[in-house]
Amino acid sequence: GQNIDQPTEMTATEGAIVQINCTYQTSGFNGLFWYQQHAGEAPTFLSYNVLDGLEEKGRFSSFLSRSKGYSYLLLKELQMKDSASYLCADEGAGSYQLTFGKGTKLSVIP
Amino acid sequence: DAGVIQSPRHEVTEMGQEVTLRCKPISGHNSLFWYRQTMMRGLELLIYFNNNVPIDDSGMPEDRFSAKMPNASFSTLKIQPSEPRDSAVYFCASSPEGGPGANVLTFGAGSRLTVL
Repeated sequence: GQNIDQPTEMTATEGAIVQINCTYQTSGFNGLFWYQQHAGEAPTFLSYNVLDGLEEKGRFSSFLSRSKGYSYLLLKELQMKDSASYLCADEGAGSYQLTFGKGTKLSVIP
Repeated sequence: DAGVIQSPRHEVTEMGQEVTLRCKPISGHNSLFWYRQTMMRGLELLIYFNNNVPIDDSGMPEDRFSAKMPNASFSTLKIQPSEPRDSAVYFCASSPEGGPGANVLTFGAGSRLTVL
């Protein structure tokens, strides 16, 4: 999968809910990853979706629609420490390599 | 486990010099990846090894870049000669044996390269 598209920046208020969208090409697609990257640090794994639907993991949830080539990451009860870049990555079928989007920089404000 | 270990963390060099970046993957991980991250292009895959064998190097920018993995616990990425446009953060990552969903990459802290 190539041509991963996600918003460049988003701002949200502490305690609120934010949804970060990601679209990708459906051909040659196997699964969808989300990674979190704080400024100056390495990306860290958040979630992996291969089936349609919502996967919930604490305050973070990730959704996938394979037919629409669409995913989102939902962050609830936002905390200041959630300020980071969120990278969407698709896993190519067969090669299982990851192709990353450019990331969405989320700023959480008081 | 100490995680993926990269060195150096920072390197400043002059155009034309050789640069060697090093990586020690997590013990037992069979796949190793080199990525480059810049503001303009994001995180790009340079090369991918599986069981020490290069599987896909189509992301390597040009002949100035080379990568080796002589054994399961060590890999190098070399740039010779370096150019200012090579300035970026270079990440090494490793993951367990391949297969769907196995690509839960663990990244090293990165090597920030500045070529003057």
